[in-house]
Amino acid sequence: DAGITQSPRHKVTETGTPVTLRCHQTENHRYMYWYRQDPGHGLRLIHYSYGVKDTDKGEVSDGYSVSRSKTEDFLLTLESATSSQTSVYFCAISKSVNEQFFGPGTRLTVL
Amino acid sequence: KNEVEQSPQNLTAQEGEFITINCSYSVGISALHWLQQHPGGGIVSLFMLSSGKKKHGRLIATINIQEKHSSLHITASHPRDSAVYICAASPNTGNQFYFGTGTSLTVIP
Repeated sequence: DAGITQSPRHKVTETGTPVTLRCHQTENHRYMYWYRQDPGHGLRLIHYSYGVKDTDKGEVSDGYSVSRSKTEDFLLTLESATSSQTSVYFCAISKSVNEQFFGPGTRLTVL
Repeated sequence: KNEVEQSPQNLTAQEGEFITINCSYSVGISALHWLQQHPGGGIVSLFMLSSGKKKHGRLIATINIQEKHSSLHITASHPRDSAVYICAASPNTGNQFYFGTGTSLTVIP
């Protein structure tokens, strides 16, 4: 299994509060991704990174920001959480564009 | 517009049945992936295909590049096969995957 962890695994927060999710890898892979998974939508890309300090937006990036200051860590921040951001968040890593390994997921509930 | 479409969305089968899940895509791809997600669980890769057919135990994945279509077959299905199966395409330009919405499979003993 690829060495990829996410923290926290579960979080309940209130509308308007900031939230940061962390993805950590031990594989030294170049690419890292943040997805959200919602019923009826499948996995949707929020942001991705193709190197330290190199990030780009995905299809559902509004309300989210990311940072990658080290190869091993990719942070996803919700500056002011809303109920529509209640979801399961998955991080993924890859060393090439042809494969992705997924983390265990973070279940976020915004009340 | 979905670049990857899966069918059926939901599937219930009796233990032992042969199961087929279909995936169609509209983009040029470098590879097609089948992923499995158990309830409440993480996502694992089953197959990565760029042509032909691959087999792993009771699971078989095929792809027809000309028709832009892939199938995942499960022979002699078992209740532990109950999961969501996701088709994903890695396009031949760009570095983002396109995902289908998944097929939820339930195998009844």
